[in-house]
Amino acid sequence: DAGITQSPRHKVTETGTPVTLRCHQTENHRYMYWYRQDPGHGLRLIHYSYGVKDTDKGEVSDGYSVSRSKTEDFLLTLESATSSQTSVYFCAISGGTTNQPQHFGDGTRLSIL
Amino acid sequence: GQNIDQPTEMTATEGAIVQINCTYQTSGFNGLFWYQQHAGEAPTFLSYNVLDGLEEKGRFSSFLSRSKGYSYLPLKELQMKDSASYLCAPATYNTDKLIFGTGTRLQVFP
Repeated sequence: DAGITQSPRHKVTETGTPVTLRCHQTENHRYMYWYRQDPGHGLRLIHYSYGVKDTDKGEVSDGYSVSRSKTEDFLLTLESATSSQTSVYFCAISGGTTNQPQHFGDGTRLSIL
Repeated sequence: GQNIDQPTEMTATEGAIVQINCTYQTSGFNGLFWYQQHAGEAPTFLSYNVLDGLEEKGRFSSFLSRSKGYSYLPLKELQMKDSASYLCAPATYNTDKLIFGTGTRLQVFP
């Protein structure tokens, strides 16, 4: 398995609370990604990073922010969680050249009540 | 923009052969990835094609036709553990992002 750890693995919280999900890698890969996966939508990119402090938006970035202060850590923050953000969140890493696959963490199941 | 089309569900019998198709329309196409995802688990990388033709890789080969915007996974000697979703993801030049199709859920029956 690629060295990717997501934490927490499960979380239940209330609408309006801040939530931070962590992705930690031990592969020293340049690229890191956050996706959400919902029934009927497949995997959708939220934000990604191409280096320390270098991030960009994906297709569903509204309501989410990210930070990458170290190569190994990529944080996803929901500043004020809403029920529509209930989902399974996956982190992925990649060496970065086009033909290198992304490898995924085990996911975080987030429920917002 | 990108458009990716895969059948939503397929069923097959253990030991059979099945073909999972993916059609795509992508600007700046530069190869296509296939992933397998078991229920409740993370996607795992299966194959990558950038040239036309069949990329043979044991039971999980993959075929690509760039001119037709078409790829497929021919799954041979199906086993129960092959019951999973199969995700198609085209890659493009000058971007480090993948856009995933919604996936094909394959159910293998005894």
